[in-house]
Amino acid sequence: EVQLVQSGAEVKKPGESLKISCKGSGYSFTSYWIGWVRQMPGKGLEWMGIIYPGDSDTRYSPSFQGQVTISADKSISTAYLQWSSLKASDTAMYYCARGKSSSSVGWFDPWGQGTLVTVSS
Amino acid sequence: QLVLTQSPSASASLGASVKLTCTLSSGHSSYAIAWHQQQPEKGPRYLMKLNSDGSHSKGDGIPDRFSGSSSGAERYLTISSLQSEDEADYYCQTWGTGIPYVVFGGGTKLTVL
Repeated sequence: EVQLVQSGAEVKKPGESLKISCKGSGYSFTSYWIGWVRQMPGKGLEWMGIIYPGDSDTRYSPSFQGQVTISADKSISTAYLQWSSLKASDTAMYYCARGKSSSSVGWFDPWGQGTLVTVSS
Repeated sequence: QLVLTQSPSASASLGASVKLTCTLSSGHSSYAIAWHQQQPEKGPRYLMKLNSDGSHSKGDGIPDRFSGSSSGAERYLTISSLQSEDEADYYCQTWGTGIPYVVFGGGTKLTVL
């Protein structure tokens, strides 16, 4: 079974750094794009960026370029999303998802269970 | 610029059918999309990939009540025999074919009356 398992909820203060993770299993981790998606409270899904773990090719949505860093460690089949200095406006649920196509990003399937990040002083 | 447009809300009665629409921006009518469902307080779930010719492939365990179709730049999700658990947010998603990128529609909140 293809699965993405994300790290647990985080509560942080403004200005702190954070790295959340997404571990893939049941498939060749290096052969498919992994995407990160933000969902702010009561809002829709926003694409943040994607990474191809096979060669670490990383692309960002213009809205998130420079705001976060996406990385992957293929030796442990894990992708990461990190912030160097959190803001209250980063409070949201964050999902990872696997791109299904072998030739492009494709559609997202499956999704991780989500990581809730709360930033509050 | 590739944009997906969805109506913010829709409603239909229990047992009835509903057709949700996702519209691709001008010049992108050949793009495939995917439909995802997000039930209240849950994460998104992949429903189906829908091609421009209306052919579609559903995710594992998705009931036959869910089907897709296409017309020009419009992509449809039809849910028949509506059940209470179909009350959810529905998002369409597409992706770049040359340059890797992803786009989501704004989502449609479906209320089952």
